[in-house]
Amino acid sequence: DTEVTQTPKHLVMGMTNKKSLKCEQHMGHRAMYWYKQKAKKPPELMFVYSYEKLSINESVPSRFSPECPNSSLLNLHLHALQPEDSALYLCASSQDRTGISYGYTFGSGTRLTVV
Amino acid sequence: AQRVTQPEKLLSVFKGAPVELKCNYSYSGSPELFWYVQYSRQRLQLLLRHISRESIKGFTADLNKGETSFHLKKPFAQEEDSAMYYCALASRQGGKLIFGQGTELSVKP
Repeated sequence: DTEVTQTPKHLVMGMTNKKSLKCEQHMGHRAMYWYKQKAKKPPELMFVYSYEKLSINESVPSRFSPECPNSSLLNLHLHALQPEDSALYLCASSQDRTGISYGYTFGSGTRLTVV
Repeated sequence: AQRVTQPEKLLSVFKGAPVELKCNYSYSGSPELFWYVQYSRQRLQLLLRHISRESIKGFTADLNKGETSFHLKKPFAQEEDSAMYYCALASRQGGKLIFGQGTELSVKP
């Protein structure tokens, strides 16, 4: 398996809802990432997990809460989002934080709309 | 400061014409550079790594440390090459990928 799988593919949520995005990989990668991408803009890093521990939080608002239950799974819990949080949320993985010579493998993303 | 610059937001060429997408970087140390491609409504895909010096789908990119550039080239563009292209730099501080702003390539028939 050489893919990063993200679910759901699309999500519409109200500003008072709580929802979660899921990401899974079975490549044995030990670094996993959450990125946010707006239309025709580059991905912006949100969080980095290395060996299941949070190593980077790019000053992301607390309404986004990441979780890494094991080496294959990465979740992003969403609560009280704003309409400006509507975007494509991308998960990626790499062998580890230092093994990035091989680049990242990206999932296809969850397209989130906050209403 | 670590930075990637893609000066062209949009590049439009005709099928069969040569294409060059520019990428310049700022990085202290030996950079690790990548080109990613995002076709319409598809995931970001790794196109090239400078470290492997490979050619994928007819594209090549050479690292020029003197000019701090990593331009992407293809001698004969095809319509299916139309996509968004991102140049990216790997930062060893935290293993982050730093992306340029992207260049949208449009290949006209």
